[in-house]
Amino acid sequence: GAVVSQHPSWVICKSGTSVKIECRSLDFQATTMFWYRQFPKQSLMLMATSNEGSKATYEQGVEKDKFLINHASLTLSTLTVTSAHPEDSSFYICSALRTSGTGELFFGEGSRLTVL
Amino acid sequence: DAKTTQPPSMDCAEGRAANLPCNHSTISGNEYVYWYRQIHSQGPQYIIHGLKNNETNEMASLIITEDRKSSTLILPHATLRDTAVYYCIVGGSNYKLTFGKGTLLTVNP
Repeated sequence: GAVVSQHPSWVICKSGTSVKIECRSLDFQATTMFWYRQFPKQSLMLMATSNEGSKATYEQGVEKDKFLINHASLTLSTLTVTSAHPEDSSFYICSALRTSGTGELFFGEGSRLTVL
Repeated sequence: DAKTTQPPSMDCAEGRAANLPCNHSTISGNEYVYWYRQIHSQGPQYIIHGLKNNETNEMASLIITEDRKSSTLILPHATLRDTAVYYCIVGGSNYKLTFGKGTLLTVNP
């Protein structure tokens, strides 16, 4: 099946630093990717929709200046957590929509961010 | 997106069929029913989706009632590796999937 890769799979950073998480569709093109956040024992919460070549669309309550999303190519979207704080510690998951075939969504394995 | 209701947890014996129910009484005519599962600390895995007709693939079967207000995911022969949180999601063509709390399926030896 289609593969979506996230990098890094886990990262620890100091408070105040910025962290970039990559989401790649390895064997298909994805004009649309989605970013989710998941806190422990909770469900996934949609943060934003990333569209190739245009600005991301953020869900209500998600700060666009804090969570910068760039979707510069058909296979890569990046999420940058700027000036990270401990409350940003979470499991960040991306998904990519394969627009050919049946239009299925494929999820990455997630990136665990810990802010000290 | 329409809201779904799932039992918080279910148990199943290894080798038996696991039947996971989902209610989506407010589903719209153009919305699909998607099923994903998430094993601890991993990204969600696509299982199956359908619109009106029942669907089957190598992983599972999806039974959608005629009025489309509920559905059942069937894992025909559950294994220990099927222990996961199963999410039933209703979504339209924009693929913006809203995850609920899902059902924690525990397959017991």
